[in-house]
Amino acid sequence: DSGVTQTPKHLITATGQRVTLRCSPRSGDLSVYWYQQSLDQGLQFLIQYYNGEERAKGNILERFSAQQFPDLHSELNLSSLELGDSALYFCASSVGAGEPDTQYFGPGTRLTVL
Amino acid sequence: AQKVTQAQTEISVVEKEDVTLDCVYETRDTTYYLFWYKQPPSGELVFLIRRNSFDEQNEISGRYSWNFQKSTSSFNFTITASQVVDSAVYFCALVTDSWGKLQFGAGTQVVVTP
Repeated sequence: DSGVTQTPKHLITATGQRVTLRCSPRSGDLSVYWYQQSLDQGLQFLIQYYNGEERAKGNILERFSAQQFPDLHSELNLSSLELGDSALYFCASSVGAGEPDTQYFGPGTRLTVL
Repeated sequence: AQKVTQAQTEISVVEKEDVTLDCVYETRDTTYYLFWYKQPPSGELVFLIRRNSFDEQNEISGRYSWNFQKSTSSFNFTITASQVVDSAVYFCALVTDSWGKLQFGAGTQVVVTP
């Protein structure tokens, strides 16, 4: 158990809908990262927050957004869902201070868009 | 541009055989970090090792060992005396920015049969 929690574990929804994925980092970690794992794209970095502020952005679609709250949990919002958004979404956390440190991953949320 | 190449898509071995996973990276940065993660069939990503570019010492952890060679831009991973529980997808990843964004290779599926 990495100490990172993600809910829900599975999510099935329809095209055009909006969903919210939630992540709680390990105790003491200030950085939260979101990654998407799909068969065609592999594991891709989406976005990073550090202590409530956005720090880095990757290949994140405009239909996707995220935020980190004062209690450090993070939410990834996916809207106008398309079939191609079906993937495993991981959250990871790290201490986030100084040089890049180890990211510990949550169990993931498997999103299926029908 | 940064890139991680894991040329081996799948490796099948019989239990107790050794298996070596190749990882070749590309970066122009002099400071960078390399990681290996394991993704068992249950789906979570498990951290295995972190290495920075200034530390070329090889490392051994139980049946796992890592060979870091800057001269060939490789960070290979060997499982000695493989076991069925080693069956998983193994990812090599590279970090070159200060915020720790992981760039993953495509992964190598290891199948260990009894």
